Amino acid sequence: AQKITQTQPGMFVQEKEAVTLDCTYDTSDPSYGLFWYKQPSSGEMIFLIYQGSYDQQNATEGRYSLNFQKARKSANLVISASQLGDSAMYFCAMREGGKKLVFGTGTRLLVSP
Amino acid sequence: NAGVTQTPKFRVLKTGQSMTLLCAQDMNHEYMYWYRQDPGMGLRLIHYSVGEGTTAKGEVPDGYNVSRLKKQNFLLGLESAAPSQTSVYFCASSYIGVNQETQYFGPGTRLLVL
Repeated sequence: AQKITQTQPGMFVQEKEAVTLDCTYDTSDPSYGLFWYKQPSSGEMIFLIYQGSYDQQNATEGRYSLNFQKARKSANLVISASQLGDSAMYFCAMREGGKKLVFGTGTRLLVSP
Repeated sequence: NAGVTQTPKFRVLKTGQSMTLLCAQDMNHEYMYWYRQDPGMGLRLIHYSVGEGTTAKGEVPDGYNVSRLKKQNFLLGLESAAPSQTSVYFCASSYIGVNQETQYFGPGTRLLVL
């Protein structure tokens, strides 16, 4: 069974607009963590944001926020005021129970001028 | 503070050859991981380690071995390379604290098996 599902293979957004990248997860473990990573064309993996399953508030890091809806098992990434440099692949990931991290298949975001 | 480094950055192997990928981190992290990334499949965990001297299997461990003799190093070995192991390999280390966790990735190693 797919643990992390990213249903949007590609997304387009205009510069300065906000965009939401979807992520749903599947786990029966009450303790888990959710992550978002950015992978630009250069290939490196850049950590963006983390949300713990017990966190009451949605995580925010600058222009990034994680819309955590526990009952729906979703952890969408919201990027506000998109910039051209935001064009990249974005991966959602989950750590459950032990120390393994499971990744989704990614969403390619293209920001146009 | 170099973060996570990987050696080599690129390698070409013939089927049946062996090689070792080296991952090093200078952040004193307990947890280290090896992933492979293939087109359209995201990152898949090969092996991981929760501390010096310990290793565990991930999603796709077959054909790989690992060792964590020193806390700062995590080695990934291919004993007999196969074309199916052509991929980009990422190493990562992580800090797990109270209500916070961060994984730091290395720059990746591109491996081509002919």
